[in-house]
Amino acid sequence: DIVLTQSPALAVSLGQRATISCRASQSVSISRYNLMHWYQQKPGQQPKLLIYRASNLASGIPARFSGSGSGTDFTLTINPVQADDIATYYCQQSRESPFTFGSGTKLEIK
Amino acid sequence: QVQLKESGPGLVQPSETLSLTCTVSGFSLTSYSVSWVRQPSGKGPEWMGRMWYDGDTAYNSALKSRLSISRDTSKNQVFLKMNSLQTDDTGTYYCTREDGYDVMDAWGQGASVTVSS
Repeated sequence: DIVLTQSPALAVSLGQRATISCRASQSVSISRYNLMHWYQQKPGQQPKLLIYRASNLASGIPARFSGSGSGTDFTLTINPVQADDIATYYCQQSRESPFTFGSGTKLEIK
Repeated sequence: QVQLKESGPGLVQPSETLSLTCTVSGFSLTSYSVSWVRQPSGKGPEWMGRMWYDGDTAYNSALKSRLSISRDTSKNQVFLKMNSLQTDDTGTYYCTREDGYDVMDAWGQGASVTVSS
């Protein structure tokens, strides 16, 4: 299985940039497709799709969210961070079955 | 409006079988695949398996021996059955819609399942 590694937590100040990383144990890219996706999960809620295929903003998601990366290294950026962004962020790969998720990065306010 | 809703028993006895139903609206099960994902409290999600739009299924190899996914397109429902439940199967179970590129673009609210005697 492809293992996705995320840092457990990140503390940033409101209005600053947050950079959340995800590293895969093997490449999740095929040709020009980077099969890494990002989800936001607030306490007591279901995950919500933010970014698909590494850099595409999902419908209704604010432009302060962006994604980048290829191969094994991917980044979710939130700029500027707002109070409503406090949540846990998960990366997920669809390069290979079983699809796997990272263990999540909890975004906290400094 | 795309919606998915999970339903089923909140409490299951150890060694028994879990049965969950995902009722969908706003899209057709013959056009979109539906996956089941579970999440233990405080941990990351785990993909369990999928009902393809064409009726085929795919399972996480770690669960394949215990898991079965089926559907009734006339009722817009997808079903999950998992047997031999143990306490580490406790968690929240979600059904999700997948777009054509394996992206889970819509999630149900989740069904909380506790395995306990």
